[in-house]
Amino acid sequence: GAVVSQHPSWVICKSGTSVKIECRSLDFQATTMFWYRQFPKQSLMLMATSNEGSKATYEQGVEKDKFLINHASLTLSTLTVTSAHPEDSSFYICSAQGGWGYEQYFGPGTRLTVT
Amino acid sequence: AQSVTQPDIHITVSEGASLELRCNYSYGATPYLFWYVQSPGQGLQLLLKYFSGDTLVQGIKGFEAEFKRSQSSFNLRKPSVHWSDAAEYFCAVGALSNFGNEKLTFGTGTRLTIIP
Repeated sequence: GAVVSQHPSWVICKSGTSVKIECRSLDFQATTMFWYRQFPKQSLMLMATSNEGSKATYEQGVEKDKFLINHASLTLSTLTVTSAHPEDSSFYICSAQGGWGYEQYFGPGTRLTVT
Repeated sequence: AQSVTQPDIHITVSEGASLELRCNYSYGATPYLFWYVQSPGQGLQLLLKYFSGDTLVQGIKGFEAEFKRSQSSFNLRKPSVHWSDAAEYFCAVGALSNFGNEKLTFGTGTRLTIIP
């Protein structure tokens, strides 16, 4: 149980375009979803927290207009990287909480490469 | 604010040998503590967690961790490692954010290499 999927697992896009990444909780309802960014051989940095039906809360230093987060339902959250640039290339990981505490279930991640 | 320190960036262990990965945390209240493992290019898998009660916690894949409040530590151990244990290990502490969400703060990770 508590499976989280991400799509796509890998994407290449051209500079200036937008990319959407989906995060789904497959077998539970996720009251809260989190989006992380991970640079090579580094830790996970929390970008934003989203609750179903409300606006996402962003961590300090994360551009809200660049990283658009939508938590449309209890099983789906999306991260859209707008006007992507090469420095946005990274590994993006989502996680979900089911409302029963701190435990987060992580998706497999999406590797974004901007050329 | 809470923080997590993993002092060892990289550890190399022989297959079959014992393992201990260190984790120290800073948090003003009783912490919720986690260990996650990440294989290359993959998401994170929960190994074990401590919320309360017995300070020695058993997890999956033969791992265990001991919560020591006096030392602010939550070290991960395994008596005999297998080649498949090679991965990145992250310690995390759970806390309430300013917005009321329960979020995790991760350490910088320890990369485990297993040699034959």
